[in-house]
Amino acid sequence: DTGVSQNPRHKITKRGQNVTFRCDPISEHNRLYWYRQTLGQGPEFLTYFQNEAQLEKSRLLSDRFSAERPKGSFSTLEIQRTEQGDSAMYLCASSLASTGEETQYFGPGTRLLVL
Amino acid sequence: AQSVTQPDIHITVSEGASLELRCNYSYGATPYLFWYVQSPGQGLQLLLKYFSGDTLVQGIKGFEAEFKRSQSSFNLRKPSVHWSDAAEYFCAVDNYGQNFVFGPGTRLSVLP
Repeated sequence: DTGVSQNPRHKITKRGQNVTFRCDPISEHNRLYWYRQTLGQGPEFLTYFQNEAQLEKSRLLSDRFSAERPKGSFSTLEIQRTEQGDSAMYLCASSLASTGEETQYFGPGTRLLVL
Repeated sequence: AQSVTQPDIHITVSEGASLELRCNYSYGATPYLFWYVQSPGQGLQLLLKYFSGDTLVQGIKGFEAEFKRSQSSFNLRKPSVHWSDAAEYFCAVDNYGQNFVFGPGTRLSVLP
């Protein structure tokens, strides 16, 4: 068990560019979550997958955001036409949802800075 | 909507002193509750969790938390704080199995 990994760890981009982040969950976990965390705040839920199905999306996830988990393993989060307000830490978590008593394990995050 | 409050934005304690971080939740059912710790620039590490049963739960790094349904609280405690405990602490509630709702966090500073 190598834990949840995220790449890249840091990303600096110019406003208007597209960025893509990757998350590799713990191997046997069937659920994968994306959260956004701004400075001084707790993480805010963006979306989650059970296997390859995207089951829930927050209203925070505007049309410029898209997430995929094509084979039920790793996931990508893409932000199109980035804006300065997108600057944040993007956290990925995974869990094994079986009994209902679910624990989410977090990756180290990808810190995005939009100039 | 479910919510989590952490009334203390920043707490400073001396090394060796005891610690209590407060967490209150608003939830319409039996909650599943969690405490995570985040060091600067890092992801969240799970400290402990409560699903059911004994309302006093033990976690890693010498932390414990007590669930009090009557007070809608899940406060985190440690009898003797170490300098390495300086970090941001987040309380979270499972939102009906869909996602976690996090509190705003409490930043802990430790004086030598």
